[in-house]
Amino acid sequence: DAGVIQSPRHEVTEMGQEVTLRCKPISGHDYLFWYRQTMMRGLELLIYFNNNVPIDDSGMPEDRFSAKMPNASFSTLKIQPSEPRDSAVYFCASSPTGLAGIEQYFGPGTRLTVT
Amino acid sequence: AQSVTQLGSHVSVSEGALVLLRCNYSSSVPPYLFWYVQYPNQGLQLLLKYTTGATLVKGINGFEAEFKKSETSFHLTKPSAHMSDAAEYFCAVSSTLNNNDMRFGAGTRLTVKP
Repeated sequence: DAGVIQSPRHEVTEMGQEVTLRCKPISGHDYLFWYRQTMMRGLELLIYFNNNVPIDDSGMPEDRFSAKMPNASFSTLKIQPSEPRDSAVYFCASSPTGLAGIEQYFGPGTRLTVT
Repeated sequence: AQSVTQLGSHVSVSEGALVLLRCNYSSSVPPYLFWYVQYPNQGLQLLLKYTTGATLVKGINGFEAEFKKSETSFHLTKPSAHMSDAAEYFCAVSSTLNNNDMRFGAGTRLTVKP
């Protein structure tokens, strides 16, 4: 099992540019989560999908952020336009079900730096 | 809603010493509790979890944690620290309804001195 795959691992961009982060969940997992990690705010849930459908996007900070899951094996998180305060590590996680007690499996993260 | 408080953002121990990382939770329903570890430049990986049954839970790499309902705590321990244990540790709580409301603590960075 390859685990959750994220790309790119590092992204450096200038303020105002569009940024797209990519995630491939573990095959067979029905749930996909996007998190943001910063020193100030810790690990925050941005959005999660169930069977490719966005269920809860209340954690998305503002309209500049959008996420899609066109199929069971691919999801994107897009920031347009990017701002320096978006600099963070973004994690994708997946889980086989939404049942209580089932852990989430995390990808290695994408470190985003916006200058 | 659930929340987690990790006491101490940074803990330093000597190699061979006891490791104790503290976690207290708040939950309106019986919680499910998790400890994750994050090594540098990697994602979080599960160390152990408590769902039901025995309140002392054993995980990977010699770590264990005890669920104490009366103290609303789920502290992580390891009898003897190893240099390879240096990492960031996150306590997390989710409700007994689903795992979609998992909430993470701020993390505790463990340093192991030779």
